[in-house]
Formats: sequence, C-alpha cells, structure tokens
Amino acid sequence: EAQVTQNPRYLITVTGKKLTVTCSQNMNHEYMSWYRQDPGLGLRQIYYSMNVEVTDKGDVPEGYKVSRKEKRNFPLILESPSPNQTSLYFCASSPGQDLYNSPLHFGNGTRLTVT
Amino acid sequence: SQKIEQNSEALNIQEGKTATLTCNYTNYSPAYLQWYRQDPGRGPVFLLLIRENEKEKRKERLKVTFDTTLKQSLFHITASQPADSATYLCALRSTGFQKLVFGTGTRLLVSP
Repeated sequence: EAQVTQNPRYLITVTGKKLTVTCSQNMNHEYMSWYRQDPGLGLRQIYYSMNVEVTDKGDVPEGYKVSRKEKRNFPLILESPSPNQTSLYFCASSPGQDLYNSPLHFGNGTRLTVT
Repeated sequence: SQKIEQNSEALNIQEGKTATLTCNYTNYSPAYLQWYRQDPGRGPVFLLLIRENEKEKRKERLKVTFDTTLKQSLFHITASQPADSATYLCALRSTGFQKLVFGTGTRLLVSP
C-alpha cells in the first residue's frame, strides 16, 4: 500500500532532550515536507526537500533540523526541544519537484508534547 | 501581508443539502489551489486541484470554483452525507514558489 509512515504517533518528552521523528514514503516521491499544525494557526511548513541531499527552510524552521540522505526517508530532528514545540506534526510527500499537479500525500501525524 | 482565510466557525447542515465552503486569499498570485479533507487525528487527504485558468472543477459530488478576480475559491459538496463531516482545508501555491500554504480549515458537520 502506498503510504507515508511517521513514527512515533505519540511522544512525550522533556525540555532539552534530543528527539527524532521518522518519516518514510514508499512511493518513490521526490518532494518531501514537514508541517506542524496548531489550533488557530493551521498547517505551517517547517522544512522541505526537493530531492536527495536538497533541503530548504519553510516558514517556521527555528529549532528543527532535517536530513535527506535517501529518497524515501526524511527525519525531523529536534536538538533541544522546548514547550513551544508541542504540536501535531505531519510529514508529506509529492511525486514531482514542481507541486503543480502534484498533491501532497500526508502521514497520520505525530503528536509531540514537550514538558 | 499574505493571508488565506477560511471560516473558522463550523458549518452545520442537514443531510441531503449542499455544503458550500469558502476560501479567500490576499496578496497571493496562486498558480493553483487545492482542497483537502482532514478527519480528527489523521493527516489531510487530497480531494481536488484547480488551476488559475480554470473556473470550475468537478469530481463526483464535489465541485470547486476559482475566481482570481475575487481572490476566492468555493468548495461545494452536493447531496451531503454524515460521512462528509470533517475539516476541509484549502491550500495554494504561489507562482514561483515550491511550497503549499494552507488555510486553517472549516469544520463541516452533516446531521442525519
């Protein structure tokens, strides 16, 4: 089944403890992206990747890192999480580098709580 | 500043009626606009895409219009069913930019 898989689905951690949220897609998509979703603010893009070894900042990149060493994987790294990073995170992928005619396929989300 | 606005109040309608959701934008020149459906605790799911040179797009009971003069897209669900209850998000990509920007979504509740 074609899908975007995120892990874990739920994560509770403490301030300053490094964590990684994994994302993997099995559709051979070139474009991948991370969003966070907060009440009243909607989905905001954190980072995106046009292809392997190519990443770029979205609208809210502060406090996050990403890497794209393989086409299928796009992990989100929080080096020193803070409570304001408590949110619902979504990974998404798309077949083309050009988002024209290429809708996003989303994972089922990771709910992160930082205490 | 750039904005994408969707009605934050939930839309309540009766089964069988047509639901109409609105997406307004300012200070964007979108190449196209997309609509997604999101169920609680799940990722958004793509529904329809409409390009800047298209006025209307249909898919089964769904219809999307795109008015670049009014800077507005309307999303219609005809013969609505309780299973259509969800949050609907619009998203647009501005010409020259490789990212989608999302509205905050409108929750639709269809009563039997």
